Amino acid sequence: EVQLVESGGDLVQPGGSLRLSCAASGLSVSVNYMTWVRQAPGKGLEWVSVLYSGGSAYYAESVEGRFTISRDDSKNTLSLQMNGLTGEDTAVYYCAKVGDGYSFDFWGQGTLVTVSS
Amino acid sequence: DIQITQSPSTLSASVGDRVTITCRTSQRISSYLNWYQYKPGKAPKPLIYSAVSLQSGVPSRFRGSGAGTEFTLTITTVQPEDSATYYCQQSYSLPWAFGQGTKVEIK
Repeated sequence: EVQLVESGGDLVQPGGSLRLSCAASGLSVSVNYMTWVRQAPGKGLEWVSVLYSGGSAYYAESVEGRFTISRDDSKNTLSLQMNGLTGEDTAVYYCAKVGDGYSFDFWGQGTLVTVSS
Repeated sequence: DIQITQSPSTLSASVGDRVTITCRTSQRISSYLNWYQYKPGKAPKPLIYSAVSLQSGVPSRFRGSGAGTEFTLTITTVQPEDSATYYCQQSYSLPWAFGQGTKVEIK
């Protein structure tokens, strides 16, 4: 059974940094495309970043240059390093596996990031 | 970047009704269009991939159609548990993007 469990969400001040983790079981993050999606309060879903199995990473324009996606194959974990946080980054962050048709076929339960002073 | 226009933003239906949600894209995306169901406090649930294919375990009353720039999610006979917000997502080219969402309320 595939399980994705996010952690690391917290209250952080504007300009601060945070690192999110997504622990995977039932799948290997090293051979799958893995992605982050977020949902701000009262807003819709927003794609954030993807890490291809070959190691290439891509970002939404809203986070380019501030966020870094990575993985630890030994721990079977996906991460999202977030720097220069602003109130617009306040959201629930979900990790997901990319499947057929580049759809997101397995999701974690999400972790809440709140950026506020 | 590919723009997505999803409509309607909200709709109200009675149990047993047929519900239709539409997504239009700013350029042709072949069949790279996916659908998700979202309920507050839960992870989004994948419904349809590649415009027409049902994700594993999804009831057959959910149907996807379309190609090119216009796509439709149909719930053939809506059930009380289908009360949720539905999102389409284009996966044709980066940056991947979601539609604005359609909130489905069951009367």
